[in-house]
Amino acid sequence: GAVVSQHPSRVICKSGTSVKIECRSLDFQATTMFWYRQFPKQSLMLMATSNEGSKATYEQGVEKDKFLINHASLTLSTLTVTSAHPEDSSFYICSATSGPYEQYFGPGTRLTVT
Amino acid sequence: EDQVTQSPEALRLQEGESSSLNCSYTVSGLRGLFWYRQDPGKGPEFLFTLYSAGEEKEKERLKATLTKKESFLHITAPKPEDSATYLCAVGGAENDYKLSFGAGTTVTVRA
Repeated sequence: GAVVSQHPSRVICKSGTSVKIECRSLDFQATTMFWYRQFPKQSLMLMATSNEGSKATYEQGVEKDKFLINHASLTLSTLTVTSAHPEDSSFYICSATSGPYEQYFGPGTRLTVT
Repeated sequence: EDQVTQSPEALRLQEGESSSLNCSYTVSGLRGLFWYRQDPGKGPEFLFTLYSAGEEKEKERLKATLTKKESFLHITAPKPEDSATYLCAVGGAENDYKLSFGAGTTVTVRA
């Protein structure tokens, strides 16, 4: 149980365009979802926390206008990288939880901005 | 602020050579300590949750233990397929379900 999917797994886009990444909890209802970013050989960096039906809470230093998060239902959260630039290239991972317990992670999305 | 320190950064083992990974933490009110395994290019895979000092959990060749200041992940008779980065994370009581992650220990098991 506790499966989380992400789509797409890889995306290449041109500088200035926007990219949407979907995160779904497949077999449980996720009251809270998290978005992380991971650079090569580094640990996870939390970007934001989203709760179903409310605005996301962003970590310090994360631009909320650049990384738009929507948590429209108990099984779906989306991250939109707006006006992407090469420095936004990274591995983006979502996680989901149904309470103050373990988080279950998606497989990640590799974003490359050219 | 919750803090997690993992050691060593990297561990190279011969197949069958048991070893332990350390996770030291400081947290205001432990909600849980979590171990994950991450393979290159993939999301972390949940392994264990430990809630209180003295608790132990096992899964195949892995065993996690917890004290008030640290957790250990013991790998018994590892196989090459145990090669991965192992991440430790803590959830604090005041932290809104968020987790604080350590930098991880990368384990390489040679046949």
